[in-house]
Amino acid sequence: QKEVEQNSGPLSVPEGAIASLNCTYSDRVSQSFFWYRQYSGKSPELIMSIYSNGDKEDGRFTAQLNKASQYVSLLIRDSQPSDSATYLCAVSGNRDDKIIFGKGTRLHILP
Amino acid sequence: GAGVSQSPSNKVTEKGKDVELRCDPISGHTALYWYRQRLGQGLEFLIYFQGNSAPDKSGLPSDRFSAERTGESVSTLTIQRTQQEDSAVYLCASSLEVISYNEQFFGPGTRLTVL
Repeated sequence: QKEVEQNSGPLSVPEGAIASLNCTYSDRVSQSFFWYRQYSGKSPELIMSIYSNGDKEDGRFTAQLNKASQYVSLLIRDSQPSDSATYLCAVSGNRDDKIIFGKGTRLHILP
Repeated sequence: GAGVSQSPSNKVTEKGKDVELRCDPISGHTALYWYRQRLGQGLEFLIYFQGNSAPDKSGLPSDRFSAERTGESVSTLTIQRTQQEDSAVYLCASSLEVISYNEQFFGPGTRLTVL
């Protein structure tokens, strides 16, 4: 059974600080890794994808992937109250493997 | 349209009735997923269509649930003899599924309430 694990939170971070969200996965041959943001009452929205080891930066967001440790993380710099949401980690293998979602981490940015 | 669309946006039904939920994926996307999300819970995978392959139905919770997809276009999720525990938001997502680049894009969901 392929699994994606996240701490459910809530994770409380002061405004302006760095929020660090973590995710581990069980399938060693996973190829694609995603972070989705879901605001309350809304659909998940893709914010980052990463496919190779290392860091990938996009604005205030940085995704970090370590395949050897089966670990992917999302850093949010200069956290804003608008970043308060649930963040879903998702992982998939090859093309025909369905994507597996974690249960999400609730992030609360304190004004 | 540019994104995934779903209809209806809201559906209220009586226990025991059948309902049909519709999903229009992004044009050209070969893969389509249905998920269920209960209030305050994570995404629950229901079914996965990939091109012309047999669908992965491993997430369907009971034989009251079924789904169809016509080619690489519209999909319909049917729930027969609805129960109160079926109340949830049903989300559809599609992706292009080029090797290793299978980013999913979600529709707005259908909120189902079974009275």
